Amino acid sequence: NAGVTQTPKFQVLKTGQSMTLQCAQDMNHNSMYWYRQDPGMGLRLIYYSASEGTTDKGEVPNGYNVSRLNKREFSLRLESAAPSQTSVYFCASSEVWDTEAFFGQGTRLTVV
Amino acid sequence: QKEVEQNSGPLSVPEGAIASLNCTYSDRGSQSFFWYRQYSGKSPELIMFIYSNGDKEDGRFTAQLNKASQYVSLLIRDSQPSDSATYLCAVRSGGSNYKLTFGKGTLLTVNP
Repeated sequence: NAGVTQTPKFQVLKTGQSMTLQCAQDMNHNSMYWYRQDPGMGLRLIYYSASEGTTDKGEVPNGYNVSRLNKREFSLRLESAAPSQTSVYFCASSEVWDTEAFFGQGTRLTVV
Repeated sequence: QKEVEQNSGPLSVPEGAIASLNCTYSDRGSQSFFWYRQYSGKSPELIMFIYSNGDKEDGRFTAQLNKASQYVSLLIRDSQPSDSATYLCAVRSGGSNYKLTFGKGTLLTVNP
């Protein structure tokens, strides 16, 4: 049972390049989340999807777009990467509002 | 005001002592509250969740919730060096909004 799987695990981008971070969960969860984590900043919510077909902005959505492709998959796209987007990105999922969120292993992204 | 605030730390306690971690939140409609532990370079993992006012105990861990004061805490009894990690408080919004917001985290070091 894989849980939450993120790809890639590491990525280096040049400023202005685009890329999509992939996330898939096999737990049949309704809600999915994308966070970024910077030193001393905790986890900051970028976007979330309460259920298939819905997405909402979190705390730091600028420079990102998301797609809830189906119940399993929730992708995060950087259209024009900037050095300020250098961070560790975590995807998470949860069944319903009152249950824990399970996290993927993270994607370490460096924009140069 | 940030939605979820934690005492900044770092917190250092001797082995066997009680470690106390605190968290306040701004949204009075928040429904559920979580404590996650994150080891360096790893993903967050759930320690405890609490929904109702009062205390909830699980082994060496006790979560305390006071909705009137918008305050949630985590006590770790008989602290062990293996408890050394960053502890993240997370709060889920109420109603149909499933946003899960994290604090910045508190770094705990347990000294042998």
